[in-house]
Amino acid sequence: AQSVSQHNHHVILSEAASLELGCNYSYGGTVNLFWYVQYPGQHLQLLLKYFSGDPLVKGIKGFEAEFIKSKFSFNLRKPSVQWSDTAEYFCAVNSNNDMRFGAGTRLTVKP
Amino acid sequence: SQTIHQWPATLVQPVGSPLSLECTVEGTSNPNLYWYRQAAGRGLQLLFYSVGIGQISSEVPQNLSASRPQDRQFILSSKKLLLSDSGFYLCAWSVISEQFFGPGTRLTVL
Repeated sequence: AQSVSQHNHHVILSEAASLELGCNYSYGGTVNLFWYVQYPGQHLQLLLKYFSGDPLVKGIKGFEAEFIKSKFSFNLRKPSVQWSDTAEYFCAVNSNNDMRFGAGTRLTVKP
Repeated sequence: SQTIHQWPATLVQPVGSPLSLECTVEGTSNPNLYWYRQAAGRGLQLLFYSVGIGQISSEVPQNLSASRPQDRQFILSSKKLLLSDSGFYLCAWSVISEQFFGPGTRLTVL
């Protein structure tokens, strides 16, 4: 069955630390890839997306993600996190309108 | 611009009671509509999706059902709630792949 795996359930970092959240998927065909973020008490919102072209995607708030097709991965990165990045992050993969989400990674940034 | 509404925002219901959660979308036509349940540590579980009026696909067999009586209206229902139905329910819409989420409904079954 198609699946999306997020390796870390909870990540705790200090401000200014670098962040990398892992995401792997099991789809074999053409995929569209997403990272969503849910700040405490707020809606899920799109952080960035990959449809085609440059596999290094820039998103809002300094986030970026790299699509590595050979590794079926779409890891999220940020060079220097802020306290306001504390949130839950979800990776999602869409193939032929079949959208699947990972279990989410909770990020806590300590001031 | 497109807007998605869900109500109620919170709901507390006794076991065995019926359920009706409503989702409406504004500013778009013929969207794909989705119901998800979000559980802590388990991400988003797709419950139902719809590509058009009266067209419902179920992902997980359970005591919930969905209906789409109008193009931009999606309803999640149950005839008899179970304790295990407690959770956070999200409605989403998409036109081309990307999904947009509503504010969610927190359901507590006692």
